[in-house]
Amino acid sequence: GAVVSQHPSRVICKSGTSVKIECRSLDFQATTMFWYRQFPKKSLMLMATSNEGSKATYEQGVEKDKFLINHASLTLSTLTVTSAHPEDSSFYICSAGTPYNEQFFGPGTRLTVL
Amino acid sequence: AQSVAQPEDQVNVAEGNPLTVKCTYSVSGNPYLFWYVQYPNRGLQFLLKYITGDNLVKGSYGFEAEFNKSQTSFHLKKPSALVSDSALYFCAVRDIGTGRRALTFGSGTRLQVQP
Repeated sequence: GAVVSQHPSRVICKSGTSVKIECRSLDFQATTMFWYRQFPKKSLMLMATSNEGSKATYEQGVEKDKFLINHASLTLSTLTVTSAHPEDSSFYICSAGTPYNEQFFGPGTRLTVL
Repeated sequence: AQSVAQPEDQVNVAEGNPLTVKCTYSVSGNPYLFWYVQYPNRGLQFLLKYITGDNLVKGSYGFEAEFNKSQTSFHLKKPSALVSDSALYFCAVRDIGTGRRALTFGSGTRLQVQP
């Protein structure tokens, strides 16, 4: 299957700082990327849908000013957690959609906010 | 609104025995259905999908799933479980009728295969 990378795989930051997570589709062009958040032993919750060249579509309850999403190219989407707080600690996973109705997932980023 | 139910938090099976992980869904239109597997601290790996065609779908690592429209189910199966199959399994649905491309995931089922 297609390969999607995420960077960094793990990040620890102080409360109040901002953290940027990159999601790249390595061997295909993804017009749409998705950002999910996964709590321990829980399912994936969709945060936002990122479309190349346009504004992201956020799910209800997700603060767009806190979770900034940029999809500047067909292979890269970034999620920036601004002014992070301990409650933002989570496992963030991106996925890239293909024209064939599949989504390929990145390996995830473990964010810990102290 | 679309939804997915995985009624079992955990499934235990002995190595070599057949396994089934249950999934039912609810959509307003026609569904695209998916199974993913997640190993600890890793992203999701695609196993198989149902879009159209044969109700029995074969996927990676010997897994298969059967789409049953009348029962709105898409159970994951494997004839002979391996210890290495132990992982967290997610069923997901996309409702074609809504035009929404994002997937809705079930709560996940932890599969434990005992040697």
